[in-house]
Amino acid sequence: SYELTQPPSVSVSPGQTASITCSGDKLGDKYACWYQQKPGQSPVLIIYQDTKRPSGIPERFSGSNSGNTATLTISGAQALDEADYYCQAWDSGVFGTGTKVTVL
Amino acid sequence: QITLKESGPTLVKPTQTLTLTCSFSGFSLTTSGVGVGWIRQPPGKALEWLGIIHWSDTKRYSPSLKSRLTITKDTSKNQVVLTMTNMDLVDTATFYCIHRSVAGKSAYMDVWGKGTTVTVSS
Repeated sequence: SYELTQPPSVSVSPGQTASITCSGDKLGDKYACWYQQKPGQSPVLIIYQDTKRPSGIPERFSGSNSGNTATLTISGAQALDEADYYCQAWDSGVFGTGTKVTVL
Repeated sequence: QITLKESGPTLVKPTQTLTLTCSFSGFSLTTSGVGVGWIRQPPGKALEWLGIIHWSDTKRYSPSLKSRLTITKDTSKNQVVLTMTNMDLVDTATFYCIHRSVAGKSAYMDVWGKGTTVTVSS
């Protein structure tokens, strides 16, 4: 079965840039999505179709996807960006292992 | 505005069958491209995609759970039902219902329900 691997955790200082990777076989041939989940809340879509942001998602969130890796970048991280982040390869339905982002 | 709400038992016994209902509003499951799916999340663990039903009545299931899952729709009631058989302790999780949208050749889950927690215990 298809698998997507993410780093368990990423730390970033306020105002700095955080990058979260998502690795899977030929992931670049599929479309990747990213979801943000804060404690006790439902996940929220923040990136779809590799690079697009839904309405209301801040511009500091951006995505890319090439080769075997999709990347979510948070530029100018804020305290409210602390959350778990999950990638997904849509056509497989599979989610990544999840990354906890800490802003400190 | 699209909303989805999950409902069903909060406690089931091992070997029992779980039936969850997703009641939605703000869209029709007869519209081309639309789908409603199910995701679960065990306590402290990652999201797991379970399956989806499309406007065309086409269904897709997680390969690892396919033998235990059934998803059906009732478009007149704006409801989608998930059935999972032979529940086990490891199936304890929060179950989410989602709305699927399409964009070109891609699709994504743009609206999530609040989730319902199901505990499996004897």
